[in-house]
Amino acid sequence: EAQVTQNPRYLITVTGKKLTVTCSQNMNHEYMSWYRQDPGLGLRQIYYSMNVEVTDKGDVPEGYKVSRKEKRNFPLILESPSPNQTSLYFCASSPSGRVTGEQYFGPGTRLTVT
Amino acid sequence: GESVGLHLPTLSVQEGDNSIINCAYSNSASDYFIWYKQESGKGPQFIIDIRSNMDKRQGQRVTVLLNKTVKHLSLQIAATQPGDSAVYFCAESPYLSSNTGKLIFGQGTTLQVKP
Repeated sequence: EAQVTQNPRYLITVTGKKLTVTCSQNMNHEYMSWYRQDPGLGLRQIYYSMNVEVTDKGDVPEGYKVSRKEKRNFPLILESPSPNQTSLYFCASSPSGRVTGEQYFGPGTRLTVT
Repeated sequence: GESVGLHLPTLSVQEGDNSIINCAYSNSASDYFIWYKQESGKGPQFIIDIRSNMDKRQGQRVTVLLNKTVKHLSLQIAATQPGDSAVYFCAESPYLSSNTGKLIFGQGTTLQVKP
């Protein structure tokens, strides 16, 4: 089944403890992106990748890192999480090397930083 | 403590009526626009997109209108059904004119369909 998977789906952690949220797609898509969603603020793009080894900042990259060493995986790394990074995170992919509407979104990861 | 976000605009319509959801975009350089639907507990789902060289595009039961002069986008849903109840987001990108993967989402509008 074609899909974008994220792990973990739920995570409660403490300030400063490094964590990684994994994202994987099995559709051989070029483009991948991370978003965070906060109540009343819509989705905000954190980082995106238009191809392997190519990543760039979105609107809210501070406090996050990403890597794209292989096409299928695009992990989101929080080196030192803080409470303001408590949010719902979505990973997405699309077949084009550019952003397109037909992004396939993962199920989301709900992160709480205490 | 819990953050307080902005209250999402809400549109309430009767089943069978047409719905119009509006969006004002911010970047004059944006040349590609998308509407997404997000149901509770799920990720956004693509509805329809439009490029800046078009004023109107139709899909199945949906129409998107683009007014570049006033930087306004609208989504029309014909014969609204209970299954259309969701949060609707517009998104913009300057990707046609620049080699970018950036995508900026609007705040979102909650559509409630009354049976």
